[in-house]
Amino acid sequence: QKEVEQNSGPLSVPEGAIASLNCTYSDRGSQSFFWYRQYSGKSPELIMFIYSNGDKEDGRFTAQLNKASQYVSLLIRDSQPSDSATYLCAVKRGNDMRFGAGTRLTVKP
Amino acid sequence: EAQVTQNPRYLITVTGKKLTVTCSQNMNHEYMSWYRQDPGLGLRQIYYSMNVEVTDKGDVPEGYKVSRKEKRNFPLILESPSPNQTSLYFCASSYGRLGTDTQYFGPGTRLTVL
Repeated sequence: QKEVEQNSGPLSVPEGAIASLNCTYSDRGSQSFFWYRQYSGKSPELIMFIYSNGDKEDGRFTAQLNKASQYVSLLIRDSQPSDSATYLCAVKRGNDMRFGAGTRLTVKP
Repeated sequence: EAQVTQNPRYLITVTGKKLTVTCSQNMNHEYMSWYRQDPGLGLRQIYYSMNVEVTDKGDVPEGYKVSRKEKRNFPLILESPSPNQTSLYFCASSYGRLGTDTQYFGPGTRLTVL
């Protein structure tokens, strides 16, 4: 079992829809959770992080964390073609950061 | 401009020929890290450094060396590269003090070992 699992996709949504990206992790001691966006051929860039159970909203993005279920998700509202990218989930415990393989999202105009 | 730079961006080499990939940051970050990214495997940490002269192994350190003699630089050294080290490499840095600390990534180095 991978330590951080994501559906590889591709996930395809129409423009304006809500995109839902999911991530599960195996280490119950994980403390912080991150979502990165990576465009093809580019480096990852941080979208947001969350460390408490519940929801955290930042603009069109909402991160949701459920530590009991070891589950973290990212919702993208009003999806735009520019959101088309691979989304990486990362889980951190102390100095140890583990990444999922990423979910490729395509937003169709 | 705050940034992490890596050189070279692209490198094709042959098995056994020592190489160094440089990484430099201008944000006075204490924490620096090297990752490799392979299809289907995501980003895997190779080595990280909490500060000058302090380095530690990540998930996949075999075949790699690092050094941190200055705060801004964190070179990755492949003493005897092999084809299984063909990958996309990223250097990253952060202040390193908080669990929610943001890591800033360099542009990546695509390495091919023949």
